Amino acid sequence: GNSVTQMEGPVTLSEEAFLTINCTYTATGYPSLFWYVQYPGEGLQLLLKATKADDKGSNKGFEATYRKETTSFHLEKGSVQVSDSAVYFCALTPGSARQLTFGSGTQLTVLP
Amino acid sequence: DTAVSQTPKYLVTQMGNDKSIKCEQNLGHDTMYWYKQDSKKFLKIMFSYNNKELIINETVPNRFSPKSPDKAHLNLHINSLELGDSAVYFCASSQSLQLSGNTIYFGEGSWLTVV
Repeated sequence: GNSVTQMEGPVTLSEEAFLTINCTYTATGYPSLFWYVQYPGEGLQLLLKATKADDKGSNKGFEATYRKETTSFHLEKGSVQVSDSAVYFCALTPGSARQLTFGSGTQLTVLP
Repeated sequence: DTAVSQTPKYLVTQMGNDKSIKCEQNLGHDTMYWYKQDSKKFLKIMFSYNNKELIINETVPNRFSPKSPDKAHLNLHINSLELGDSAVYFCASSQSLQLSGNTIYFGEGSWLTVV
């Protein structure tokens, strides 16, 4: 079956620290991979995506590279800000599937 | 303009009541979804509709009944509410059922609390 495993949180960082949130997946076929972000009290927003191996998705200083050989899609940011505090979800959709499968979410708190 | 809008955003109600959450998308998408987020933030699909036709129904109690009057709307009606129904319900849409290369857009969520 299809599944997404994210590193467990919560993650607490100081402002300007480097961020990595690990995400690995199991899927049939060639999935598309996504990172969604949920700010406190708000809905889900698409942060970035990658649709094929070696693609790099990027947005708002965040990056993630689709690594087929390690079945991973780790989220990184070089210098986090307090405003990045949110829950981050890794997700996938295999080519044949008709839904997104989400990871369990990682709570990030950035302290000033 | 909000792409996927759902109402109400907050809903507090008593056990046993019946309530509805409405959702509309103005993206011209064919496919709409309902997802449930539990207290641990875990997200799970409940239903999907494509052009008003039910596609996915993920072992959801039949107290939950989605209704799609047209492809731009997907409402969720819940009968005989239980404490365990307390959650955040997200409506979403995508261009089509074929998600490879497409993106699912989510509404802002409806926070349901059953007391």
